[in-house]
Amino acid sequence: QLQLQESGPGLVKPSETLSLTCTVSGGPITGSSYYWGWIRQPPGKGLEWIGKIYHSGSTHYNPSLSSRVTISVDTSKKQFSLKLSSVTAADTAVYYCARRAGYPGLYFDYWGQGTLVTVSS
Amino acid sequence: SYELTQPPSVSVSPGQTARITCSGDALPNQYAYWYQQKPGQAPVVVIYKDTERPSGIPERFSGSRSGTTVTLTISGVQAEDEADYYCQSADSSGTDYVFGTGTKVTVL
Repeated sequence: QLQLQESGPGLVKPSETLSLTCTVSGGPITGSSYYWGWIRQPPGKGLEWIGKIYHSGSTHYNPSLSSRVTISVDTSKKQFSLKLSSVTAADTAVYYCARRAGYPGLYFDYWGQGTLVTVSS
Repeated sequence: SYELTQPPSVSVSPGQTARITCSGDALPNQYAYWYQQKPGQAPVVVIYKDTERPSGIPERFSGSRSGTTVTLTISGVQAEDEADYYCQSADSSGTDYVFGTGTKVTVL
């Protein structure tokens, strides 16, 4: 059974960079046509797609966040990571990592449990 | 930017039918997907590719589409179906993804 687990600081100061890592277990990260994504959810609000990465390193970002987002992958560690720069209180959210199902299924079939990141001084 | 619009809330009595709509201009060009999210949990897909149901999802969940609107139908609603539901799709190129605004289903 594929499992994903987010890790990283739960508290980040305003203007700093939020960094999270997702570790994949129970299956390959290099599977054909699978992308690996980040989604966030501010407290009491809806889901927002942040971006996704293929094991080759090819990325796609939400245009509204693209100037501040970097997603990278380390296939040897079966991990992919999120960096979000210049954070403000509006970036406080539960951050989920997830696997995008194989094409043409453009949806997320496996999710991590999520990790709350609070932006506060 | 691309948006998917859902009604904020739907209320339904047990055993009745709940219908949740999702509208977006690019929907005719891409499949839609539906997630159920219960408090404190990650979302779970209940419908994929407009009408397909993953294994383990009860038959009372079904999906349909008409033009720029897709609909999630829960037939014979049960108390355990009380949750937030989100549609999701992609832009016309299939590159960028978007979630709907979300609908809270309340079982009376």
